[in-house]
Amino acid sequence: EIVLTQSPGTLSLSPGERATLSCRASQSVTSTYLAWYQQKPGQAPRLLIYGASSRASGIPDRFSGSGSGTDFTLTISRLEPEDFAVYYCQQFGSSPPLTFGGGTKVEIK
Amino acid sequence: QVQLVESGGGLVKPGGSLRLSCAASGFIFSDYYMSWIRQAPGKGLEWVSYISYGGSTIYYADSVKGRVTMSRDNAKNSLYLQMNSLRAEDTAVYYCATFPSGHLASWGQGTLVTVSS
Repeated sequence: EIVLTQSPGTLSLSPGERATLSCRASQSVTSTYLAWYQQKPGQAPRLLIYGASSRASGIPDRFSGSGSGTDFTLTISRLEPEDFAVYYCQQFGSSPPLTFGGGTKVEIK
Repeated sequence: QVQLVESGGGLVKPGGSLRLSCAASGFIFSDYYMSWIRQAPGKGLEWVSYISYGGSTIYYADSVKGRVTMSRDNAKNSLYLQMNSLRAEDTAVYYCATFPSGHLASWGQGTLVTVSS
C-alpha cells in the first residue's frame, strides 16, 4: 500500500504570503495519477490539481503543483482569504487503488 | 454543469443496512468511471469504491469489502452503494464523485451516515 504523508500538518500564514505544501509517498507514484484537493468546512472537496501539475477547470493560476516519484508539492503563490482551508493529496495506482494523504490545514496567522 | 446529488443517508443501528444513491446530471454519465469516498467526522478522506463505465469492474477498500456493493444504472444516471452489516466506524459523510483518469473531478455535497444504537 502506498502511504501518502503530508507536511506540515498545519501551516500558519498571512494573506499574501506563499504557501508550500508537501506530499511524500512511501513508494514511487506515477505523476499522471497524483492529485490535490481543497476542502473548506462543511463543503465537499474540490479538485485543484491533477496529473501532478495540471490545474483543474476554473482554478486560479496562483495554485501550482510540481514533483515526481515520491515527492510532490502544492504551491499557493499568494494566499487569498478564500484559500484558508484543508488540502489533501491523492494517488491512484497500486493496491488499494486510491489513497489520500492526511491533509494540511492552512490557517490564518 | 456537472451535478451530483447523494441521498439515502441517516441513522442506522449497528448491523443494519442502508442504500445510498447518487443522481447525476449535466454530463454523459456512462462516459465516466465513478467513485464513493467517505469522511468520518473531523477526519480525513477515505476512498470506498469505484466502478467502471458499464459496471463490469468494481474495486473496494479492504475496510468495506464483503459488506458493501457498488452499482450503477446508466439509463437512470444513477450510482448506488448498498451497505450491509454496518459498524460504528462506518459513520461518515459519503460523497460520490466522477473518476476520470485517476482523480476525482466533481463531487456531490455528501450524505451523512450515522451508525449508532
